[in-house]
Amino acid sequence: GQQVQQSPASLVLQEGENAELQCNFSSTATRLQWFYQHPGGRLVSLFYNPSGTKHTGRLTSTTVTNERRSSLHISSSQTTDSGTYFCAIDRTGANTGKLTFGHGTILRVHP
Amino acid sequence: EAAVTQSPRNKVTVTGGNVTLSCRQTNSHNYMYWYRQDTGHGLRLIHYSYGAGNLQIGDVPDGYKATRTTQEDFFLLLELASPSQTSLYFCASSVTGTQYFGPGTRLLVL
Repeated sequence: GQQVQQSPASLVLQEGENAELQCNFSSTATRLQWFYQHPGGRLVSLFYNPSGTKHTGRLTSTTVTNERRSSLHISSSQTTDSGTYFCAIDRTGANTGKLTFGHGTILRVHP
Repeated sequence: EAAVTQSPRNKVTVTGGNVTLSCRQTNSHNYMYWYRQDTGHGLRLIHYSYGAGNLQIGDVPDGYKATRTTQEDFFLLLELASPSQTSLYFCASSVTGTQYFGPGTRLLVL
């Protein structure tokens, strides 16, 4: 089965609303990362978060490794947050960087 | 932010044609990766490398070869391109942990 599952598949918000994106994974080896893909295609790393909680700006990532889940919280969403959010795990457990990606959550924020 | 560049940015070829996609990173990262991105599949790892001369097989390697000529340069080769290889290709590099992606190459195989 799919090793990394993301939900929801898509999400539509009004500007200013908060968003919670979920990532569940089947492997205990994580080294979980969150990525953002711009509508034009560019991929950027948001968080390298194998466990615990990390913050940057309006984004918060929380990974609970023994429950095999991670979340990405976006507060006070802006139209520029629109795009696709991916989580990925390194399931090898050896920090090879051999990532397995989820299918992503497509976020649209309307003004 | 780490710098990863890819060329060409767009490529059109015909079935059976030869294609080489290039990737360069200028941050002395040890690891480099080639992914393809397709609707409904997310990103899938094709090949990766731990350093010059090293090559590791990813999850979807069939129909692809790769070569890491230097610390900076990683190439993806499609020797007999097929329409199923029409995709968006990303290169990435990392030291440990965070991966940094290039801008992508859109390949169309007619």
